[in-house]
Amino acid sequence: QVQLVQSGDEVKKPGASVKVSCKASGYTFSSYGITWVRQAPGQGLEWMGWISAYNGNTNYAQKLQGRVTMTTDTSTSTAYMELRSLRSDDTAVYYCARTIVQGLMRSDFWGQGTLVTVSS
Amino acid sequence: QTVVTQEPSLTVSPGGTVTLTCASSTGAVTSGYCPNWFQQKPGQAPRALIYSTNNKHSWTPARFSGSLLGGKAALTLSGVQPEDEAEYYCLLYFDSAQVFGGGTKLTVL
Repeated sequence: QVQLVQSGDEVKKPGASVKVSCKASGYTFSSYGITWVRQAPGQGLEWMGWISAYNGNTNYAQKLQGRVTMTTDTSTSTAYMELRSLRSDDTAVYYCARTIVQGLMRSDFWGQGTLVTVSS
Repeated sequence: QTVVTQEPSLTVSPGGTVTLTCASSTGAVTSGYCPNWFQQKPGQAPRALIYSTNNKHSWTPARFSGSLLGGKAALTLSGVQPEDEAEYYCLLYFDSAQVFGGGTKLTVL
């Protein structure tokens, strides 16, 4: 069965970086992409960006350009999202989702979420 | 910056029918935006319901359906159940970016 298992919760200081992992199983990792989405406390979902696990192509949300990097390791079927220069408003639950961006576009299976708290 | 708009809240009676909509600041929503719909309950990850306008995932209950309605994407729940009380989000694809709507809080009362 398809599963996406994310790394544990993190607490970071302002200005630091965080790297969240998303380990996939139950499907051919390189045949899909991974979308990253975040949700601030009490707020809606925010699309952060997408990476192809096939060729590493990425698309990032404009507001995060320059601070976010998404990568994949096909040898371990793991996707990573690194966010730098953290601010208090980066405090959120971060989700990964398996995604197809060609044809009938969809994000079907989701990780359990990783809470990143940014606080001094 | 593209804005995707949903009704902030809706209320429906058990067994009733309700339609949630999803509008784009760029104009009419078409199938080319591949509207996706997600359900989220408190403390849980989002769950995918509908993709590319009107396609259901294998786990999507039959009472959920997607469509295009009056220039918007729409999610219709027919025969609403108490467990359908949740937040619902639409997602539209814009070339190289994707944008979520602000969400609709559906209350079953």
